[in-house]
Amino acid sequence: DAGVIQSPRHEVTEMGQEVTLRCKPISGHDYLFWYRQTMMRGLELLIYFNNNVPIDDSGMPEDRFSAKMPNASFSTLKIQPSEPRDSAVYFCATQTVGVTYFGPGTRLTVT
Amino acid sequence: AQSVTQLGSHVSVSEGALVLLRCNYSSSVPPYLFWYVQYPNQGLQLLLKYTSAATLVKGINGFEAEFKKSETSFHLTKPSAHMSDAAEYFCAVSETGAGSYQLTFGKGTKLSVIP
Repeated sequence: DAGVIQSPRHEVTEMGQEVTLRCKPISGHDYLFWYRQTMMRGLELLIYFNNNVPIDDSGMPEDRFSAKMPNASFSTLKIQPSEPRDSAVYFCATQTVGVTYFGPGTRLTVT
Repeated sequence: AQSVTQLGSHVSVSEGALVLLRCNYSSSVPPYLFWYVQYPNQGLQLLLKYTSAATLVKGINGFEAEFKKSETSFHLTKPSAHMSDAAEYFCAVSETGAGSYQLTFGKGTKLSVIP
């Protein structure tokens, strides 16, 4: 298995632009998580899905953030409009049998 | 609510010396515990996990950790450090909640290995 796949790996955008991060989970894993990593706050859970259904989005910082999982093979995290404070590494992770596997992350820089 | 405390944001050891990275947790139910390693500009890789079986858990790259319920600890050790062990290490705890295992991470400990 190729593991969790994220794209793009790096994204640089200007403040106010829309940003879409993509994730392809490991096949058969029924939970999908989006995490954000910053120096100040460490690793934070933003939202997670079970069988494509959003279960808990209490970690999503603002209404500017939204996430979808239209099918078992794909998820997106969208920021609209983006702000400099959104600069971070965003990880997608999937889980089976209580063990979580992380993708390589997307490094987002908002200027 | 669950939480993790990692003592020491930065640990330096000499090559060949013992590695000890400390992790204490709090959990309202029996926890699952994990150590992840993150190399620069990479994602998190699972080192080892404790899921209520043996209290001494062996992981990859010669690392191991011991679950001590009385001390609420899950410290990570390696007998002899190698230069390739230089990375950031994260301890994490999870509890069951609606069938999921949401991870709560510590702040991380950056390990430096001195030649």
